[in-house]
Amino acid sequence: NAGVTQTPKFRILKIGQSMTLQCTQDMNHNYMYWYRQDPGMGLKLIYYSVGAGITDKGEVPNGYNVSRSTTEDFPLRLELAAPSQTSVYFCASSYSIRNEQFFGPGTRLTVL
Amino acid sequence: GENVEQHPSTLSVQEGDSAVIKCTYSDSASNYFPWYKQELGKGPQLIIDIRSNVGEKKDQRIAVTLNKTAKHFSLHITETQPEDSAVYFCAASSEKKSSGDKLTFGTGTRLAVRP
Repeated sequence: NAGVTQTPKFRILKIGQSMTLQCTQDMNHNYMYWYRQDPGMGLKLIYYSVGAGITDKGEVPNGYNVSRSTTEDFPLRLELAAPSQTSVYFCASSYSIRNEQFFGPGTRLTVL
Repeated sequence: GENVEQHPSTLSVQEGDSAVIKCTYSDSASNYFPWYKQELGKGPQLIIDIRSNVGEKKDQRIAVTLNKTAKHFSLHITETQPEDSAVYFCAASSEKKSSGDKLTFGTGTRLAVRP
């Protein structure tokens, strides 16, 4: 099993550009999450999904969008990149909320 | 919603000594408390978790204690080794529908083990 994979690993965007961060898991988990981690800080939940077709906002959803058309994939969309979105983004998945979350390796995004 | 506070933010110990990290939570309905370890450049990884029906859980050199009355839980690492150096996060989740199906993380503790 590959676990949770994320692409790309690194990206530099200009202000106003758009991009999609990809996340795929092969563990057949229903629950998937997107977090951002600013330097020296903790994890902030952006969006999460409890199954295909179901998504919900987390703590910091503004400026982002998600979709969940399959169990395996949970892409995160940035429509108009801003410097405040410079961060490391982690995708995670779990069997349920009270089970281990498996994290991907992260995407380091810089917006200039 | 849930609020999780974590202390200290940094901790330096001598190899072989013990390390203790403490967290408090605000939602009395929270019933699942995991601890994650994040090594440099990697995603967090679960090291131990505890549910509200037990007060203590051990796994080799790692133990977690939970005090539901006081709403706090702690991570204890004994006989620390250099490879224990990392950032540690506590988290909590509730079964309350209004809380949603999500974990609330603490702000993290950077542990440094001096050889």
